[in-house]
Amino acid sequence: AQSVTQLDSQVPVFEEAPVELRCNYSSSVSVYLFWYVQYPNQGLQLLLKYLSGSTLVKGINGFEAEFNKSQTSFHLRKPSVHISDTAEYFCAVGGGADGLTFGKGTHLIIQP
Amino acid sequence: ETGVTQSPTHLIKTRGQQVTLRCSSQSGHNTVSWYQQALGQGPQFIFQYYREEENGRGNFPPRFSGLQFPNYSSELNVNALELDDSALYLCASARGGSTDTQYFGPGTRLTVL
Repeated sequence: AQSVTQLDSQVPVFEEAPVELRCNYSSSVSVYLFWYVQYPNQGLQLLLKYLSGSTLVKGINGFEAEFNKSQTSFHLRKPSVHISDTAEYFCAVGGGADGLTFGKGTHLIIQP
Repeated sequence: ETGVTQSPTHLIKTRGQQVTLRCSSQSGHNTVSWYQQALGQGPQFIFQYYREEENGRGNFPPRFSGLQFPNYSSELNVNALELDDSALYLCASARGGSTDTQYFGPGTRLTVL
């Protein structure tokens, strides 16, 4: 069984400030981890993914995430956010025939 | 390379009716997955098709069924609609393989009255 917990439903942050969106996972099989972003009235866009290898993963739009096996975490970070980063962010685990298991999402609110 | 497309964009049905949603996968992709996203929630996995066969299913009742065609496009059928079926339905395609990225379409917003 797999599960994802996104610890914050909303994260407000000022423009140009750093941000961290937290994600903890549980998986009994190989761990493949993903972060997706969803803009209003749109589908999901992949930000980055961890399959194996280096625990620091770099993605699009300046985002990065760090896989921490001992803490079963995969937190998403960006050193300086922009107004255009306002969106819903989803952490997911799994893949293949069992599909992806998503968290409930974190709404990132950028304040000017 | 065209992306994943879905039709229709919006749909309104009444309880008890049946609905068919359609998805065209990205070029070169032979795997299609369907997800249900209720308002304010993360997407939930319904099922996956690989080369026209269902090869994985989430915790959804049998009234949720699907098809995948030889061109790898797909349909999601829902019978006996219930109010709780109101959601955004997302289709995702991939090349196949457990590590391949799933590319999502824009979704179909279904409202059941």
